[in-house]
Amino acid sequence: GAVVSQHPSRVICKSGTSVKIECRSLDFQATTMFWYRQFPKQSLMLMATSNEGSKATYEQGVEKDKFLINHASLTLSTLTVTSAHPEDSSFYICSASGALGGRVLNTEAFFGQGTRLTVV
Amino acid sequence: GENVEQHPSTLSVQEGDSAVIKCTYSDSASNYFPWYKQELGKGPQLIIDIRSNVGEKKDQRIAVTLNKTAKHFSLHITETQPEDSAVYFCAAYTGGFKTIFGAGTRLFVKA
Repeated sequence: GAVVSQHPSRVICKSGTSVKIECRSLDFQATTMFWYRQFPKQSLMLMATSNEGSKATYEQGVEKDKFLINHASLTLSTLTVTSAHPEDSSFYICSASGALGGRVLNTEAFFGQGTRLTVV
Repeated sequence: GENVEQHPSTLSVQEGDSAVIKCTYSDSASNYFPWYKQELGKGPQLIIDIRSNVGEKKDQRIAVTLNKTAKHFSLHITETQPEDSAVYFCAAYTGGFKTIFGAGTRLFVKA
């Protein structure tokens, strides 16, 4: 299947600093990427959807200026948590949909490994 | 919008027994239902999926059934093994590349 790589897997940062998380599709063109946040023992909460070359669509309640999303190419999307605070500590996961070998993967989202962010 | 409910939240079975997780959805337009397995500290991994034109699909020890009329679908794991222990999420795809997830089921397989 399609492979999505997320980096870093873990990051610890100081309060007030910014952190960038990368999500790469390694063997397919990711026309759409999704960013999720997951609290302990809870389900995935969709934060935003991004299409290559256009602005991300944020879910209600998600601060656009706090969580900056860039999807500049068909293989890379980044999530930047700006001015991070302890309450931003969470598990962030990306997923991607697109095309693989001429086959359109409209409904099959492939997930990255996740990033554990700890803000101290 | 779509709402997906998943039960049970926790499931404990003896190794070798079967495990069944059930989900219901609300939007009759949903046409794709994936199941994901998430191990601790990792991202979800697609394990099986079913589309609305199919009633049942099987892949070795796992199977999924779909009842479109009742709007529910289920995951069946037979001959469970300790390595099956994880959190399982059902999901429904409603179009527009948006997938709605259930709350998750924590499966424990006791050796």
